[in-house]
Amino acid sequence: RKEVEQDPGPFNVPEGATVAFNCTYSNSASQSFFWYRQDCRKEPKLLMSVYSSGNEDGRFTAQLNRASQYISLLIRDSKLSDSATYLCVVNGPLVDSNYQLIWGAGTKLIIKP
Amino acid sequence: SQTIHQWPATLVQPVGSPLSLECTVEGTSNPNLYWYRQAAGRGLQLLFYSVGIGQISSEVPQNLSASRPQDRQFILSSKKLLLSDSGFYLCAVDRGPRETQYFGPGTRLLVL
Repeated sequence: RKEVEQDPGPFNVPEGATVAFNCTYSNSASQSFFWYRQDCRKEPKLLMSVYSSGNEDGRFTAQLNRASQYISLLIRDSKLSDSATYLCVVNGPLVDSNYQLIWGAGTKLIIKP
Repeated sequence: SQTIHQWPATLVQPVGSPLSLECTVEGTSNPNLYWYRQAAGRGLQLLFYSVGIGQISSEVPQNLSASRPQDRQFILSSKKLLLSDSGFYLCAVDRGPRETQYFGPGTRLLVL
């Protein structure tokens, strides 16, 4: 099993729709979870951290399910500008006093007019 | 807020040639620094990380090396490039364990 697994997509979604995708992780001791957004040929940028109780930032909602070891991202009222690849990130084990981040390969989202 | 500089933005190199990519950081001190590589359609692969000047940890065996000669300077090098070294090289910064990482604009390397 991959340490962090995502459906690569692409998810083709009409503008205005709601879309959700999940990410599963294998390390039950992970404590930090993030969603990053990566536009084509650009660097990843932080979209939001994922907190235990779930959190919302405008149209974006992130949830954590520790029992089943997955995090989710929900995008409401999708915009054309939401088209991007969404990367799931989870911290790995402590090594040399540092936690490495483990990156999923990303889910590609295409919003169509 | 911090700013991360990487250059060059794009590089085309022949197989067997040397490589030097530089990353510099402004607006923070004593950061953790990282080099990642992203192959087309793939996730980020951690190559090296550094928690301080002269301290380098390698994650994968390869023909690449890294150095941190100054607090906010991180260099990725190779003596002889391979075709498999092609990819998108990203420098990242964070302030501590489990903190958010921020990325530079990246260098796209094509080895022919």
